[in-house]
Amino acid sequence: KAGVTQTPRYLIKTRGQQVTLSCSPISGHRSVSWYQQTPGQGLQFLFEYFSETQRNKGNFPGRFSGRQFSNSRSEMNVSTLELGDSALYLCASSLSKVDTQYFGPGTRLTVL
Amino acid sequence: GDSVTQMEGPVTLSEEAFLTINCTYTATGYPSLFWYVQYPGEGLQLLLKATKADDKGSNKGFEATYRKETTSFHLEKGSVQVSDSAVYFCALLGGSNYKLTFGKGTLLTVNP
Repeated sequence: KAGVTQTPRYLIKTRGQQVTLSCSPISGHRSVSWYQQTPGQGLQFLFEYFSETQRNKGNFPGRFSGRQFSNSRSEMNVSTLELGDSALYLCASSLSKVDTQYFGPGTRLTVL
Repeated sequence: GDSVTQMEGPVTLSEEAFLTINCTYTATGYPSLFWYVQYPGEGLQLLLKATKADDKGSNKGFEATYRKETTSFHLEKGSVQVSDSAVYFCALLGGSNYKLTFGKGTLLTVNP
């Protein structure tokens, strides 16, 4: 069974731009979560979606948003990029909210 | 709220040495506990998990036991290899929310 896939793997943007990251979960998984990883803050939870509904959101500004489609694929969007948004963005999928989360390879975002 | 504390390292060992990485947690309810591993330039890989007290998770020679009385989930391996060099994250999945809470990670370097 194919794992979690994320596209693109690398992105370079400038301040003020916006970006959209994509995540395709493992087949049959309906829950998708997003995390931000930085050297300073470590791994931080962004949000979680299940059946196209956001069920939980981390402590991030409204510039960070996401959505989930009927096929469980998910996107996250960051608007008005700031230098501090440079990070590895990880997507994880699971069968349900209480099940093991499996991670994709991540998207490395660099904001210049 | 939920929290995970793990030894931050870095930890440097010689091949075939014994490994212990300590992890303790604070959580409400009965969380599931996980160890994830991250190799350079990659996402997180699930190493092992335990879902209830006294469960022992094991994989690739690594083991960890869910100790509710000491709120701990220490990672051990009897004989490390150079290929085990990576960053190891302890994490919990609480019963009241849908997010993983991570420790800060421990960098392990194994020298031949």
